[in-house]
Amino acid sequence: QLQLQESGPGLVKPSETLSLTCTVPGASISSPSYYWGWIRQPPGKGLEYIGSIYYSGITYYNPSLKSRVTISVDTSKNRFSLKLSSVSAADTAFYYCARLIWREAFDLWGQGTLVTVSS
Amino acid sequence: QSALIQPASVSGSPGQSITISCTGTNSDVGVYNYVSWYQQHPGEAPKLMIYDVSNRPSGVSIRFSGSKSGDTASLTISGLQAEDEADYYCNSYRSGNTYVFGTGTKVTVL
Repeated sequence: QLQLQESGPGLVKPSETLSLTCTVPGASISSPSYYWGWIRQPPGKGLEYIGSIYYSGITYYNPSLKSRVTISVDTSKNRFSLKLSSVSAADTAFYYCARLIWREAFDLWGQGTLVTVSS
Repeated sequence: QSALIQPASVSGSPGQSITISCTGTNSDVGVYNYVSWYQQHPGEAPKLMIYDVSNRPSGVSIRFSGSKSGDTASLTISGLQAEDEADYYCNSYRSGNTYVFGTGTKVTVL
């Protein structure tokens, strides 16, 4: 069964860069049918779209986060990554990676990983 | 970017039907038929329930249905069951190659 799996540090210091990776065992990230995205959810709050990437490297970002976000893809390792710079406590959240059918829906999600921003 | 607007909570008794609204703008819900709905139980990842306004993925109960009128999309749960108690989020594609989620609705089964 296809699963997405997030990994990365659970604790990041203020002003530093948050880095997460999503691996996709059981499927090819180079499939032309899908984009791959990141969504976050502060504890007890709602979902927020961060951005998405195509296997060719085309990226789209939430305008409100665009200045701090970089999403990249490594097709040789079948994974994609998120970097969020200059983090603050407001960036503390569960971070999910997901498969995106362009424009239509996020049809498969990872289990999520909690990243806490604290000194 | 501003979120789509959903009621904070909706409740119903087992067997009843409930409807959750999702109000957007003429940059998202009002102009695109790319509205999706997600169910999230506590401690779990969201699960896709409806896509393209009214389509159900394989495996999702027919008790879940979606519709849209103007700037407002709706999710209806028929024959409410205890297992339907969860948070529900709408999402829409928005002009400029971005996406926006709704504020979320907590569904309580009385």
